[in-house]
Amino acid sequence: EAGVAQSPRYKIIEKRQSVAFWCNPISGHATLYWYQQILGQGPKLLIQFQNNGVVDDSQLPKDRFSAERLKGVDSTLKIQPAKLEDSAVYLCASSSGQGYNSPLHFGNGTRLTVT
Amino acid sequence: DAKTTQPTSMDCAEGRAANLPCNHSTISGNEYVYWYRQIHSQGPQYIIHGLKNNETNEMASLIITEDRKSSTLILPHATLRDTAVYYCIVRVDTGRRALTFGSGTRLQVQP
Repeated sequence: EAGVAQSPRYKIIEKRQSVAFWCNPISGHATLYWYQQILGQGPKLLIQFQNNGVVDDSQLPKDRFSAERLKGVDSTLKIQPAKLEDSAVYLCASSSGQGYNSPLHFGNGTRLTVT
Repeated sequence: DAKTTQPTSMDCAEGRAANLPCNHSTISGNEYVYWYRQIHSQGPQYIIHGLKNNETNEMASLIITEDRKSSTLILPHATLRDTAVYYCIVRVDTGRRALTFGSGTRLQVQP
């Protein structure tokens, strides 16, 4: 099966600019996650979707970050305006969400550099 | 979800078994132990998970102590490609819960 697809792979922007990341989960996976991974740290959950509804966005900085999954398939994460501390890898993951044999499958992420 | 404690880094000789420990002394009865790894410039990869019985798959073995307060991930014959950060995560498994990552153990397999 095809894995989780993310684009772009790398992005460099100046502070105060906006940026968007795209994720296409594994086909049929109802649950989609966005994580932020700062260099040297483990990934941190930003938002979790179940189909096209938000399950958990408690750690999403809503003044600048937004995410959507309009048709319950692919998703976009946007930052506007970006700050220097947003420099990180943004990881998308998906899972079938069915029962206990539902590990998360991660994409290879988008590396964002804010200058 | 219960908190886990892992060593910051470990070394292992190529071809030897790598034994990665994890402490989760506050684990609850309905919490599973998951292991993921992250190779440089890639997303985390699922390895194995278990509740209380030892588990084995094509990648690794998971040994959970009888009191479930700690576990060990075993890579039986480590290769250079196993160099990665290994994360031990405890979570209630409803199938929909997100994973909470710590800092993990950086395993360096030496030639």
